[in-house]
Amino acid sequence: QITLKESGPTLVKATQTLTLTCSFSGFSLSTSGVGVGWIRQPPGKALEWLALIYWDDDKRYSPSLKSRLTITKDTSKNQVVLTMTNMDPVDTATYYCARPGESGLEFEYWGQGTPVTVSS
Amino acid sequence: QLVLTQSPSASASLGASVKLTCTLSSGHSSYAIAWHQQQPEKGPRYLMKVNSDGSHSKGDGIPDRFSGSSSGAERYLTISSLQSEDEADYYCQTWGTGIHWVFGGGTKLTVL
Repeated sequence: QITLKESGPTLVKATQTLTLTCSFSGFSLSTSGVGVGWIRQPPGKALEWLALIYWDDDKRYSPSLKSRLTITKDTSKNQVVLTMTNMDPVDTATYYCARPGESGLEFEYWGQGTPVTVSS
Repeated sequence: QLVLTQSPSASASLGASVKLTCTLSSGHSSYAIAWHQQQPEKGPRYLMKVNSDGSHSKGDGIPDRFSGSSSGAERYLTISSLQSEDEADYYCQTWGTGIHWVFGGGTKLTVL
């Protein structure tokens, strides 16, 4: 059974750096074709893809946020970490990690999400 | 630019059927998409992948009441025999050049 769970601070201040961890089980990020991504959802708004890392350490970022994001993996711990610099109140959202299915494209497995509020 | 367009809202009666639409931007009519359901106060759940030829593959445990289809640049999610728990937001998602993922704006489905 594949599960993913996000963790991190619920409150950060503007200009600070946010660090979120996705802990997963049921698969290995050393398996060819596997990736884990991050998606966020501001209150009352739509989903927005942020970043994704593949088993071979290939990394993809949203063009609009690329300068602020870093995604890394720790295969031995079954974790993926997302850092977002220079946080702003508009970054207030629930942050989800998710794993694409076998095709590597559609997000088939989702975490429960972790809410983050950015105070000014 | 790869964009997915969804109507903000839809409604249908309990026990009826509803067809939600996701429209791919010009030049991207051959793309497959995925549908996700987000019930109130919950995280998204993967429903299915819909290909340009109308074939679809559903996620584990998704009821037969949910089906997908395609026509041109439009991708559809049809829910039959609507139940109260189907009241949710529905998002389509695709992926583009350089492997970037895109979500539609979502459709809020109300079951009357």
